[in-house]
Formats: sequence, structure tokens, C-alpha cells
Amino acid sequence: DAGVIQSPRHEVTEMGQEVTLRCKPISGHNSLFWYRQTMMRGLELLIYFNNNVPIDDSGMPEDRFSAKMPNASFSTLKIQPSEPRDSAVYFCASSPGSWFATNEKLFFGSGTQLSVL
Amino acid sequence: GESVGLHLPTLSVQEGDNSIINCAYSNSASDYFIWYKQESGKGPQFIIDIRSNMDKRQGQRVTVLLNKTVKHLSLQIAATQPGDSAVYFCAEITTGNQFYFGTGTSLTVIP
Repeated sequence: DAGVIQSPRHEVTEMGQEVTLRCKPISGHNSLFWYRQTMMRGLELLIYFNNNVPIDDSGMPEDRFSAKMPNASFSTLKIQPSEPRDSAVYFCASSPGSWFATNEKLFFGSGTQLSVL
Repeated sequence: GESVGLHLPTLSVQEGDNSIINCAYSNSASDYFIWYKQESGKGPQFIIDIRSNMDKRQGQRVTVLLNKTVKHLSLQIAATQPGDSAVYFCAEITTGNQFYFGTGTSLTVIP
């Protein structure tokens, strides 16, 4: 199994530009999570999908952020327009079942390092 | 909101020594705890977990201890190796299925 695959690994963009981050979860996993990691705030949950449906997006910081999961094998996180304070590492993670039903564990991708200049 | 914090942001140990990484949590309703290891340039990886009805769980070279009285979690790594150098996160999951990560402790193993 290739694990959770994220692209790109690194993204450098200018303020105001649109940024799209991509994620392919582990095949067969029903839950997908987007996290943001910064030194100041650590790992923050942005949004959680179960069976391709957004369940909890309370962590999405602003309307500039949007996430979609059109099918079980693909999700995107979009920032439009991007701002320097969006600079962070964005992780996608997947889990076999529902929201931590029983001994559920998150499997993380390698992350996308986003720098907004 | 709830918080999970770490006592030591950095820890340096000699190769072969045992390491202890600590974590405090604040929610008495937390039901499940996980330790993750994050190496540079990678995502967090699951190490070991423990449920609230246990006070100790052992894995390969790692042991997690849970003290619910003082809301304290620790990760012990035996015979620490250079490959153990990483940032370690504790995470708590409450009975409401809310998942919180700590800010992380950076472990450096000195050869």
C-alpha cells in the first residue's frame, strides 16, 4: 500500500493567488481529514469527511478555505485568495472507519509545505 | 477549548539511554490516547495507543503510561536509538470523539 499520497510536496505562491492541495487516501479508508501544522498552533483539524461527505468543517479558518471530496480516492483543499498567514504544512490523513469509532488510527501523508509570499 | 500540552518542548538523550516524554491533558472525559512520531519532512506516524481503562501498555521498546488522577500521559522509549530522533505528539480523543493533538516534543538522540 502506498499510503496517503499528497501533492505537491512544496508550493510557493504569491499572496492573492489560488492554491490547490491534493490528497489520495489509502484505498478502502472511509474517513479523510485535512490538518494544518504550524509551530505556534501545532496540528489543527480543518475538516473531516466520512464516506466523501463533509462531517465537520468547524476548523476551516475562513471562507477563503474550501475542501471537496468528489470520490473515495481524491480530495482537494483550496485556498483562494491565499495570504502569508496561510503558510504552513498541510497534512491529509485517512482512517479505516468512522470518526474514531473503535481504536481508530489516523494514517498521515507526507504533507504539503505551503509558503505564501 | 480543551488543551493537550507537553511539559518539555525539547529533550536530548544519549544513545542507549531511556527516554521519557510527558504530556498533560485537561479533559477528564478523554477516552483514548495516542502517541505519534513525526520525523523531519514526514507526516505523524502512529506509535502506540492506550484506552482510559488502562494505566499501562507496552509495545516494542515503547511503553505508554496513563495517570488519570493527575491527567498525565507519558511515553517511555527504551534503549533510545538515533532513529528515534523526531518530534513526538500526544493526542487525546474525548468521548465526544473530539481529537486534540499536543504541540509536540522534539527528541534528539546523541550518538
